Amino acid sequence: EDQVTQSPEALRLQEGESSSLNCSYTVSGLRGLFWYRQDPGKGPEFLFTLYSAGEEKEKERLKATLTKKESFLHITAPKPEDSATYLCAVQAYGGATNKLIFGTGTLLAVQP
Amino acid sequence: KAGVTQTPRYLIKTRGQQVTLSCSPISGHRSVSWYQQTPGQGLQFLFEYFSETQRNKGNFPGRFSGRQFSNSRSEMNVSTLELGDSALYLCASSLDAGMSTEAFFGQGTRLTVV
Repeated sequence: EDQVTQSPEALRLQEGESSSLNCSYTVSGLRGLFWYRQDPGKGPEFLFTLYSAGEEKEKERLKATLTKKESFLHITAPKPEDSATYLCAVQAYGGATNKLIFGTGTLLAVQP
Repeated sequence: KAGVTQTPRYLIKTRGQQVTLSCSPISGHRSVSWYQQTPGQGLQFLFEYFSETQRNKGNFPGRFSGRQFSNSRSEMNVSTLELGDSALYLCASSLDAGMSTEAFFGQGTRLTVV
């Protein structure tokens, strides 16, 4: 069964304190791995798509990497506005579908 | 370019009632998926529509249904509401062309069943 596990569940950082969020996945055939940011009461905001092991993508203070079993979201020198829930999702091969399987997210709090 | 639009943003319904939620995808996107988000279960896939046809369905009871119109707009319906249906319902649209599989979400409809 396709599955996504995110850790830690919650993370509290001081402003400027870099860290990484983990997303471990089990999928029959990985079509894509997605990172989203979600603010309270809002829909998930797309951040990155990764398609193959070794791929990396960056956006401002965020960098996402992918291996055959997991993905990391590295946050460099975070600011309070980076506080949000970060969601990881996978899309598997097997039929024509855009179905995403989500992890339960990491709640990040960045304190000034 | 307008994003994904979901209406209404908030709903309060009574047990046993039915509800219809609406989603307008990004212009040009033909795939619309629906998700239910609850604190305990996270985001769970409900179903996906492409060119007015349901092409995938999650593990939800038959009370949950949907449809897609020729302009790609989609609706989902929940009949005989239960307290456990209280959740944030999210719609995602995808271009669904070649390798482009990114899904973009709307702000969601917050449904409260009392």
